[in-house]
Amino acid sequence: EAQVTQNPRYLITVTGKKLTVTCSQNMNHEYMSWYRQDPGLGLRQIYYSMNVEVTDKGDVPEGYKVSRKEKRNFPLILESPSPNQTSLYFCASSQGELGYGYTFGSGTRLTVV
Amino acid sequence: GEDVEQSLFLSVREGDSSVINCTYTDSSSTYLYWYKQEPGAGLQLLTYIFSNMDMKQDQRLTVLLNKKDKHLSLRIADTQTGDSAIYFCAEKVLDNYGQNFVFGPGTRLSVLP
Repeated sequence: EAQVTQNPRYLITVTGKKLTVTCSQNMNHEYMSWYRQDPGLGLRQIYYSMNVEVTDKGDVPEGYKVSRKEKRNFPLILESPSPNQTSLYFCASSQGELGYGYTFGSGTRLTVV
Repeated sequence: GEDVEQSLFLSVREGDSSVINCTYTDSSSTYLYWYKQEPGAGLQLLTYIFSNMDMKQDQRLTVLLNKKDKHLSLRIADTQTGDSAIYFCAEKVLDNYGQNFVFGPGTRLSVLP
């Protein structure tokens, strides 16, 4: 089944403790992206990647890192999480060609205390 | 910069038609999308329309695009309780690095029995 898989689905952590949210897609998509969703703010893009080793900042990159060492994986790294990073995070991938929308993962609900 | 706007809430009675509206600012939009997010789930692509089309119909869904006014709408005929969700409008735009997606804040549709 074609899908985007994020892990974990839920995570509660403490301020300052490094964490990684994994994202993997099995559709050979070139384009991958991370979004956070907050009430009243909709989806805001954190980082995106056009292809392997090609990443760029989205609208709200501060406090996050990403890497794209292989096509299928696009992990989101929080080196020193803070409470304002408590949010619902979505990974998405796309073929990148005209007409293709995103396929979204199921989301990761992160709480930083 | 790019901006996509939607009203945040809409309530309709079961069996009525729902119309969710969206405006966007970027004239380089190539495709425009409607996504549906059910509670606790990721975003699911509902439908999309190419920017040189005026209308697209898919079963109960009708998408209307007024490119001159940069206005997009999604009409759901015979709205059912299962249509209760958040609906996101999104545009695919060209930027310096190729293509990227910009999402609206989402419209929460409540279907009343």
